Order: sequence, then structure tokens, then C-alpha cells
Amino acid sequence: AQSVTQLDSHVSVSEGTPVLLRCNYSSSYSPSLFWYVQHPNKGLQLLLKYTSAATLVKGINGFEAEFKKSETSFHLTKPSAHMSDAAEYFCVVSQAAGNKLTFGGGTRVLVKP
Amino acid sequence: EAEVAQSPRYKITEKSQAVAFWCDPISGHATLYWYRQILGQGPELLVQFQDESVVDDSQLPKDRFSAERLKGVDSTLKIQPAELGDSAMYLCASSFAGGAYEQYFGPGTRLTVT
Repeated sequence: AQSVTQLDSHVSVSEGTPVLLRCNYSSSYSPSLFWYVQHPNKGLQLLLKYTSAATLVKGINGFEAEFKKSETSFHLTKPSAHMSDAAEYFCVVSQAAGNKLTFGGGTRVLVKP
Repeated sequence: EAEVAQSPRYKITEKSQAVAFWCDPISGHATLYWYRQILGQGPELLVQFQDESVVDDSQLPKDRFSAERLKGVDSTLKIQPAELGDSAMYLCASSFAGGAYEQYFGPGTRLTVT
């Protein structure tokens, strides 16, 4: 079985300050981990993915995430938030051998001017 | 850039009525997924197709939901009869194949059951 817990349902940051979105996972297999972003009235877009290569993964739009097996975490960070980063973010786990995605509950990010 | 198409984008229906959603995946993508996203939650897989065959429908409420992908290209998800609890966003995604291939999501159909 696999599951994902996003530790914050809402995060509020000021433009230009760092963003941290926390994610813990549980998986019986070597997991693949993803972060997706969902803007209002838009489809989910892949930000980045971890598939057992480098533990620090760089994604689009300046986001990166670090896989920490000992902590079963895959936190998402960005050094400087932009207004366009306001959206909902989902941490996702899948079995390495398959492609069934299990989504966390989401973190809604608000960026203040 | 190729995208997953879904229609309609919004649907309002009365409970006990039938409703259907349509998805056209990215050309060449063999694997197609239907997800349901209840407001405030993450998406949940309803059904996965590999070409025209269902490979996972363990979370599909089969008493009222059905899905088909007759020619292995586009797909239809149907609910009959609709219930108030079916109000949600229905997302379609496709990937080149199963396994580790990236899933590309459509914009979704927002269903409201009154």
C-alpha cells in the first residue's frame, strides 16, 4: 500500500520569500515521487519527479525537491516566490513498477504582494 | 503542444439523471486514466485503460459508473443515475504507456449534481 501526507493544507508567503511545501510518503516499494501543480481552471502540470536517481531533483519554474529516504519525505522548495506560483500543489507517489498515482490532499499556496 | 481534451468543461445535472464525459488523449498515448477529484482533496483514480482494455477499475463504483474506450483512442465515462455525492471534478490523463511514463492531464469536467 502507498499513501501521501501533505503536512500543510494552506501556505501563505510574501512575494520574493522562500516557499516550503512539506510531504511525507509511505510505500511498500521503491517509490517514484512527483509534485504536480494545479492552477484554477487548468489541468494538473508536472513540476518534477524522483525515480531513484539523484536525491535532489530540479523542476520547472525554479522548484526543487529533495528525497530523504530516512525521513520518508519529499519536500518541495523554491528560493523566491512569484505571484504566478499561487496555486494548489500535490505530492504524489507511485509504485516503481507500475504507474498508479496516489495523491496527497494538496497544499494551497497564497502569495502576497 | 499536444494536450488532453475533455468535454464538457462544466455540467450541471439533477440527481437520478444520466451524465457522460468525454476524453481525447494525446495522440499515440496507449494508457488513459479517469480520476475523480472531490473539492479540497487530491485526485483519486477511478479507471485505467491500456489501449481498449481496462487494467484497473478497483475504485470505480460499478453499480452506477461505467467507462469505455472502444477503439483504444478516446474514452467516455458515464454515471447513471447521478447522486449528490458525485459532484466533483472528473479528470482524464494519458501517458505513452504504463510504468514510469509521465501522465498528462486534461482540464477536467466539473460536475454539479442538484
